[in-house]
Amino acid sequence: DAKTTQPTSMDCAEGRAANLPCNHSTISGNEYVYWYRQIHSQGPQYIIHGLKNNETNEMASLIITEDRKSSTLILPHATLRDTAVYYCIASPSYDKVIFGPGTSLSVIP
Amino acid sequence: NAGVMQNPRHLVRRRGQEARLRCSPMKGHSHVYWYRQLPEEGLKFMVYLQKENIIDESGMPKERFSAEFPKEGPSILRIQQVVRGDSAAYFCASSAGVEHTEAFFGQGTRLTVV
Repeated sequence: DAKTTQPTSMDCAEGRAANLPCNHSTISGNEYVYWYRQIHSQGPQYIIHGLKNNETNEMASLIITEDRKSSTLILPHATLRDTAVYYCIASPSYDKVIFGPGTSLSVIP
Repeated sequence: NAGVMQNPRHLVRRRGQEARLRCSPMKGHSHVYWYRQLPEEGLKFMVYLQKENIIDESGMPKERFSAEFPKEGPSILRIQQVVRGDSAAYFCASSAGVEHTEAFFGQGTRLTVV
């Protein structure tokens, strides 16, 4: 799996968009970008994944740069319940996925 | 992720006892992954199993830990002769195993060794 780099922590005002960046400069052509989050010791929750096209679902949007070396997860209207650790993973499949330290997102009232 | 069931949710064992953690994957999923999370630390991969096969156990401690995923029934993570350092949250995930599909996690078993 390609190495990913994320900021250690971020703050976001409630109701504003949260933009979480991820660098994956060594990503291979067959590797997808996956995003998961873990809310305070709960089980990790799948958010979204994509290859090269932007993706959107009911939770978030994923923007992947054209060269695929970086991506941004966007939570359009952050709420207090979005406070969590967010993990960006580059992998060809969900197979022995290794979690990094992630980004600790704090949504502030 | 409500479909991945782990039990028990909390488990207390005395040092030297055995701990058995169970994971029932989502319906239709034949691939199971176990992770351990020590207090205030990240998720560490332990083992990847398919039905009746261990695919990758590179993250499993060499002694006292074992895992299985039988043809019938849940996947079991077994820890023999538990020590205080085994106290952690153990998470199970399952996937359909088809390339590029996502995995879904259970809510974990919190093991406390006293």
